[in-house]
Amino acid sequence: GQNIDQPTEMTATEGAIVQINCTYQTSGFNGLFWYQQHAGEAPTFLSYNVLDGLEEKGRFSSFLSRSKGYSYLLLKELQMKDSASYLCAVKDSGAGSYQLTFGKGTKLSVIP
Amino acid sequence: GAVVSQHPSWVICKSGTSVKIECRSLDFQATTMFWYRQFPKQSLMLMATSNEGSKATYEQGVEKDKFLINHASLTLSTLTVTSAHPEDSSFYICSVSEGTGVNNEQFFGPGTRLTVL
Repeated sequence: GQNIDQPTEMTATEGAIVQINCTYQTSGFNGLFWYQQHAGEAPTFLSYNVLDGLEEKGRFSSFLSRSKGYSYLLLKELQMKDSASYLCAVKDSGAGSYQLTFGKGTKLSVIP
Repeated sequence: GAVVSQHPSWVICKSGTSVKIECRSLDFQATTMFWYRQFPKQSLMLMATSNEGSKATYEQGVEKDKFLINHASLTLSTLTVTSAHPEDSSFYICSVSEGTGVNNEQFFGPGTRLTVL
């Protein structure tokens, strides 16, 4: 089974940097995804990590430590449009290895 | 990435009626599609894995007789909520994966908001 934890809500200032943490406990691990979801919309893919380390993609970076069961999503130069929920999702390595288990999401509010 | 559509985008129905939601993969032949449900302020919960040409695989706690899934072709999967009740009101989202490779992300449809009166 999977247990994924992330903070419920966060607030940050426009132009600043924010780090959203995710911890997981899984019976198997085949990669970790971060998705962005605006209210009432479907999630959109942000990043994927399967090996330890940092993956950078523009203003967004994602880090993974498999030994610690820990990941974070780093958002730089925050913009108002970044206000959304950020979902951490783990891919199982067992049967149905393409299935994802999602955390409850972190609602980020960017304020002026 | 894959483009996924859903129809309808929202639906309101009376308690006891059935509602069908379509999920289409517009530019990719998907042997596998996923159906999720999301209640307000909650995360996405996987309901079932839809397999083209065979029966869907349901997650524990999801009633297969209530949530009927038909994956008739490589581009279309349907979810029918039978005898809907107010507690079935939710945001239903489908997704496709471009493969079973470890780095294949899922692409989500825009979702269908179901309100049962």
